[in-house]
Amino acid sequence: ETGVTQTPRHLVMGMTNKKSLKCEQHLGHNAMYWYKQSAKKPLELMFVYSLEERVENNSVPSRFSPECPNSSHLFLHLHTLQPEDSALYLCASSQDFLRGLFGWAGELFFGEGSRLTVL
Amino acid sequence: GQSLEQPSEVTAVEGAIVQINCTYQTSGFYGLSWYQQHDGGAPTFLSYNALDGLEETGRFSSFLSRSDSYGYLLLQELQMKDSASYFCAVSDSNYQLIWGAGTKLIIKP
Repeated sequence: ETGVTQTPRHLVMGMTNKKSLKCEQHLGHNAMYWYKQSAKKPLELMFVYSLEERVENNSVPSRFSPECPNSSHLFLHLHTLQPEDSALYLCASSQDFLRGLFGWAGELFFGEGSRLTVL
Repeated sequence: GQSLEQPSEVTAVEGAIVQINCTYQTSGFYGLSWYQQHDGGAPTFLSYNALDGLEETGRFSSFLSRSDSYGYLLLQELQMKDSASYFCAVSDSNYQLIWGAGTKLIIKP
């Protein structure tokens, strides 16, 4: 139990569907992230929110739409996806971008992910 | 471009010691992190090195050489439960982590 809960764990959708992924963190963190994980590839950062404001959008296609209503919840809205979007989508949280003496330790707390299959 | 290189797969025997290397080429560098991910599980943070040298946490140790842009994760007294994928990641800015593609560690009895 990492303190970050993602639902659903598995999702199969057609290219014309609209669905949403949900993430909730119980750690009191104020930064949340969406990552895409594909087999044998580095994790790809999609979106970052700090204090509910979007900080980073790494040129993600508009068919992915994030929403962060408060510091504990994060959504990823999906519509008209492509088969190549099939992947594991990971949510993570951190205690903001706390920069200590040695920089940001990069300590993220991840959920177990939502396995998305686009048919 | 920015990249991290780590072996795709490493095999070791239960009870042995294994080292997983990571070399990086990034525009900025604040530190090197290591994560463990079991199949179907969440990546979990293992360690962070900002300064050169060895950091030890139980059976796991992590090393960094900033001058060589190189680090490694050392796992001792391997147990079957250590079978997992291990990722190195570089903190290159306030919030950005640059990730390696992961090393799958296979442990044989």
